[in-house]
Amino acid sequence: QSALTQPASVSGSPGQSITISCTGTSSDVGSYNLVSWYQQHPGKAPKLMIYEGSKRPSGVSNRFSGSKSGNTASLTISGLQAEDEADYYCCSYAGSSTFYVFGTGTKVTVL
Amino acid sequence: QVQLVESGGGVVQPGGSLRLSCAASGFTFSSYGMHWVRQAPGKGLEWVAFIRYDGSNKYYADSVKGRFTISRDNSKNTLYLQMNSLRAEDTAVYYCAKDPLPYCGGDCSHFDYWGQGTLVTVSS
Repeated sequence: QSALTQPASVSGSPGQSITISCTGTSSDVGSYNLVSWYQQHPGKAPKLMIYEGSKRPSGVSNRFSGSKSGNTASLTISGLQAEDEADYYCCSYAGSSTFYVFGTGTKVTVL
Repeated sequence: QVQLVESGGGVVQPGGSLRLSCAASGFTFSSYGMHWVRQAPGKGLEWVAFIRYDGSNKYYADSVKGRFTISRDNSKNTLYLQMNSLRAEDTAVYYCAKDPLPYCGGDCSHFDYWGQGTLVTVSS
């Protein structure tokens, strides 16, 4: 099972919106509405930001939103802030044999 | 509050063994499935293994199948990962992570809490 494909880097200025794509296949992203997104600051553990495609856990800013179309999921960060600078990973459930597949990761830079 | 604390990492020679532990607190450990996820230095995340809340089912990534064994002791609120026949490519930070809902079969869709990780280095 190959990793989901994400852009290596995305950047934006404070206050702008950015979108990170996550492309999989009909065996993972396309088959299940079970995509999650994680934020990871250097040296820290990943933090859940979005689950089941578009749901936000309690405590996560509503500046973070998720969506999915076909085999591609997306994470949008609106009103970009300096603290959003981090690595972001998507993850999809991929069935009972593969279980979970992560994305390649995207480094978000706030200019 | 939920806490997951990994331990047991270190330096081991290729072909060697290591056992990782993950001490859980702040939730009813015996009701939740648990995962191990790893991250090689400078690389992305990779799901490694899952164990059901009662230990009845275990699943592994192809990359570790036959070499790693996930287990749990619900009386001690502790998750384990026994790693045998270690290879250089197993070098990574290993995180334990929990299912978001109780009694899931592994398809709960995401991981809501993660530990801080423990570094395993396989090198001669």
